[in-house]
Amino acid sequence: GENVEQHPSTLSVQEGDSAVIKCTYSDSASNYFPWYKQELGKGPQLIIDIRSNVGEKKDQRIAVTLNKTAKHFSLHITETQPEDSAVYFCAASRETSYDKVIFGPGTSLSVIP
Amino acid sequence: ETGVTQTPRHLVMGMTNKKSLKCEQHLGHNAMYWYKQSAKKPLELMFVYSLEERVENNSVPSRFSPECPNSSHLFLHLHTLQPEDSALYLCASSQDVLKTQYFGPGTRLLVL
Repeated sequence: GENVEQHPSTLSVQEGDSAVIKCTYSDSASNYFPWYKQELGKGPQLIIDIRSNVGEKKDQRIAVTLNKTAKHFSLHITETQPEDSAVYFCAASRETSYDKVIFGPGTSLSVIP
Repeated sequence: ETGVTQTPRHLVMGMTNKKSLKCEQHLGHNAMYWYKQSAKKPLELMFVYSLEERVENNSVPSRFSPECPNSSHLFLHLHTLQPEDSALYLCASSQDVLKTQYFGPGTRLLVL
């Protein structure tokens, strides 16, 4: 079946450095790619998303890039801060089919002060 | 606060117990979801409700029984669970089934 791979599973960076998390999806019909941040004791929160008609999207310190040909998409966090420490999930879905939302296994990001 | 609340936040139950998880959304959304989050596994979609009608059941065992009495409330009734059902159960809502989902904080369930 379809799946989403996510790497790395854990990531430690120094405060102020950049962090990159990469995802690969298998369903070529996927056209919507959200990223969620889950802090300890909380549910996942949407932080940014991208649709297949766009190659890159940026919101302050976070950006997402999409390569539809390679079926890759990535999350970039610049100037990391300790409050960025959390588990990040990518997901791939078809906007025409709710049951095709597939989540990656998550990346645990630690930002060291 | 995302506007989606879940109770209880923690639950311990035996395999013969019956319990219910509750979710309430204050966002005026018309679609609600139950997810299971296990350690080191991707989020698993369990049930989807749109306009209070169940539209998807991803082959979830019958020991999990959802109920959606209105567009703001969603329940997950549990009975004769197994230890492997221990997980974080997340509720989410969205405006229309295909739109961005907003998650609650989850119920941490332990089955003994």
